[in-house]
Amino acid sequence: DAKTTQPPSMDCAEGRAANLPCNHSTISGNEYVYWYRQIHSQGPQYIIHGLKNNETNEMASLIITEDRKSSTLILPHATLRDTAVYYCIVRVFLSRSGGSNYKLTFGKGTLLTVNP
Amino acid sequence: DAGITQSPRHKVTETGTPVTLRCHQTENHRYMYWYRQDPGHGLRLIHYSYGVKDTDKGEVSDGYSVSRSKTEDFLLTLESATSSQTSVYFCAISEPSGGWETQYFGPGTRLLVL
Repeated sequence: DAKTTQPPSMDCAEGRAANLPCNHSTISGNEYVYWYRQIHSQGPQYIIHGLKNNETNEMASLIITEDRKSSTLILPHATLRDTAVYYCIVRVFLSRSGGSNYKLTFGKGTLLTVNP
Repeated sequence: DAGITQSPRHKVTETGTPVTLRCHQTENHRYMYWYRQDPGHGLRLIHYSYGVKDTDKGEVSDGYSVSRSKTEDFLLTLESATSSQTSVYFCAISEPSGGWETQYFGPGTRLLVL
């Protein structure tokens, strides 16, 4: 499985952009990068995913380097409610079942604290 | 929230007793998963299902069994609970998103085995 490396913690001021880095130097050509977050005691929440192009949705933007060895999640205007643990994940297919069945391997993630 | 509910949300049980956790979904998703979350380990896959009566083991399946007799329910059973199975259990489903499947998680079940 491709391994991801994230800083254990980051701080961000409310209203400013939060840029969360992730290294995934062993990623394979067909593996997607997913970002989830987990607010204390809740289930992980999907944020965004990408393969090689930059992606944007209503929650965040995902910037993937050209060599695909790293990515950055950008929360453009962080709020206090964005305080959470953010996980960068490389999706691994569960090949026995075929189709698009896969597992997500969550590491320790980055604790983002948004300060007033 | 992708229509996922888990029951019970909290449970305390004793070592050696069987425990069944239920994951229920309302949107007819094919793929369902059970993960556990422990400090220092992140989330780890226990079992998964790719259809009714079609299940397979994940990376930490010892001591657990699952059943899926209908699309909407995925049951996780601890055959004889041990203290090492004290954990938070999350169910997930896969839903198509932008041409690929994206997993969405339920609210979790906190299990304490005494």
